[in-house]
Amino acid sequence: NAGVTQTPKFQVLKTGQSMTLQCAQDMNHNSMYWYRQDPGMGLRLIYYSASEGTTDKGEVPNGYNVSRLNKREFSLRLESAAPSQTSVYFCASNSGGASYEQYFGPGTRLTVT
Amino acid sequence: LAKTTQPISMDSYEGQEVNITCSHNNIATNDYITWYQQFPSQGPRFIIQGYKTKVTNEVASLFIPADRKSSTLSLPRVSLSDTAVYYCLVDNNQAGTALIFGKGTTLSVSS
Repeated sequence: NAGVTQTPKFQVLKTGQSMTLQCAQDMNHNSMYWYRQDPGMGLRLIYYSASEGTTDKGEVPNGYNVSRLNKREFSLRLESAAPSQTSVYFCASNSGGASYEQYFGPGTRLTVT
Repeated sequence: LAKTTQPISMDSYEGQEVNITCSHNNIATNDYITWYQQFPSQGPRFIIQGYKTKVTNEVASLFIPADRKSSTLSLPRVSLSDTAVYYCLVDNNQAGTALIFGKGTTLSVSS
């Protein structure tokens, strides 16, 4: 049981390049989330998926797109990377019932130059 | 969504009890209070959740007064490995609800 996994762990992009961050969970959770964390800040929600087939914007969705590929996988895409998107990205998941605990992945550290 | 206020930082020594207080004056009737812990270069980890009075688990205790406008996370006998950022969150615990993190409290434990 690996929990929540994210790839890649590190990435450096040039301004304007695109990339997709991958996230997968093996806990049969219904809901999945993407957060970003800037230095000295708390986490801010980018997008979330309450269940397979649905996605919703969070606090800071501009410049990002997401795909809930299936129940296990939730990807985050940067179409045209900007230096302001330099951050650590965390994926999380939890079950769709009353359970509240979110399980977080190890993060992807992204630098845009 | 209720907002929370907690101290930016706290210092302690090994073996001491640490109490981190969180203020949430606008908490709604169906809101729960949850605390997460985050070590450097790792994702947050759930510590404890409560609705009222006192909740205790193997890691911490959570004290919530009757008016629920504040809560206190208590860490007994901290060690160096408890050095981390602690986040207080308030939410209605519904399926698919997104968490809103503030800046948290950075706890530094010294020997």
